[in-house]
Amino acid sequence: NAGVTQTPKFQVLKTGQSMTLQCAQDMNHEYMSWYRQDPGMGLRLIHYSVGAGITDQGEVPNGYNVSRSTTEDFPLRLLLAAPSQTSVYFCASSYGSGENTEAFFGQGTRLTVV
Amino acid sequence: AQSVTQPDIHITVSEGASLELRCNYSYGATPYLFWYVQSPGQGLQLLLKYFSGDTLVQGIKGFEAEFKRSQSSFNLRKPSVHWSDAAEYFCAVEGTYKYIFGTGTRLKVLA
Repeated sequence: NAGVTQTPKFQVLKTGQSMTLQCAQDMNHEYMSWYRQDPGMGLRLIHYSVGAGITDQGEVPNGYNVSRSTTEDFPLRLLLAAPSQTSVYFCASSYGSGENTEAFFGQGTRLTVV
Repeated sequence: AQSVTQPDIHITVSEGASLELRCNYSYGATPYLFWYVQSPGQGLQLLLKYFSGDTLVQGIKGFEAEFKRSQSSFNLRKPSVHWSDAAEYFCAVEGTYKYIFGTGTRLKVLA
């Protein structure tokens, strides 16, 4: 059981480049989300999805796009990378909302934009 | 607005000493609360969670947390800290399909 898998683990981009961070889960979870982690700021929600075909913005969505064509995958796209997007990105999935829910996290993608 | 506050950015304790990490939340309804731990370069691991019922919840690695509604707090405790507990700890509240995290407390353990 792989859980939540993120690729790549590390990435360096030049300003203005684009890329996609991949996230896949094999637990048949409905809910998936992307967070960014910056020093002193904890984890902040970028986008989330409550099921295939349904996405919504979180706290810091600007500069990022998402789509959810399947239950398993939830890729995060950076269209025009900027140095402010240098961060560690975490994908999470959960099987519900409310009581008895629990989020499972990937190992993270460390992104540097130069 | 929903929010989580962890007032201590850094805490240093000696190995074998007791530990308490503070967490305060702001949430309109009954909160679902979590503590996660993150070791360097790793993802987040769930320590424990509170949904309802007994306000003292037990977690993995000898951790426990107490929910106090009157104080809007969910503090994490451990009676005797081990060197391997050095990590960053995050408190979170579940707010309908998504989690709201505190800014984290980094724990250093002195030998």
